Amino acid sequence: GAGVSQSPRYKVAKRGQDVALRCDPISGHVSLFWYQQALGQGPEFLTYFQNEAQLDKSGLPSDRFFAERPEGSVSTLKIQRTQQEDSAVYLCASSLDSRSSGGSQETQYFGPGTRLLVL
Amino acid sequence: SQQGEEDPQALSIQEGENATMNCSYKTSINNLQWYRQNSGRGLVHLILIRSNEREKHSGRLRVTLDTSKKSSSLLITASRAADTASYFCATDAVTGGFKTIFGAGTRLFVKA
Repeated sequence: GAGVSQSPRYKVAKRGQDVALRCDPISGHVSLFWYQQALGQGPEFLTYFQNEAQLDKSGLPSDRFFAERPEGSVSTLKIQRTQQEDSAVYLCASSLDSRSSGGSQETQYFGPGTRLLVL
Repeated sequence: SQQGEEDPQALSIQEGENATMNCSYKTSINNLQWYRQNSGRGLVHLILIRSNEREKHSGRLRVTLDTSKKSSSLLITASRAADTASYFCATDAVTGGFKTIFGAGTRLFVKA
């Protein structure tokens, strides 16, 4: 079956440019996560959606980062006025069930990521 | 900031040897997971161990969890060249909202 897909796979942006990164989760998955992974580091949590509701955006590094999932399936992570420090791989993951705050963790299925380079 | 810290940061072994990676974390957790990431790709879930479990096996993988020491280990037995990857532990804190927190990872290289 189809896994999580992300597009584009690679994106080069000039500093100050806006970018939009797309995530197509596994069909029927309730939960969707975005992560930022710097070179040589583990993924850092950005935000969590339960269906269309954004329940946790505590990891978004600044107000230049915005995520949405308007119909509870596809999600878009938008970065406005990109800076060089935004260069990273952006990973999307989905899981079947919803998460409770501090509750048990379902297996997350990850997409291949979008590698963003800001020049 | 990341909760999990893995050690060693890098590990190089011969095919057929066992590989052990360790993870430490800071706060009380509900469970801990291990993921693998091949170069340039997304993460693949390996195994989940709940906070009331001490040991779990899956194929060539053995995971232990010591909640008193806030640590976990991942053992890969009879390693293969295809096991070459980065390995991450991930936790959800009891009071951590909806976050999953990953460590910095151990880079394993298995020489054929």
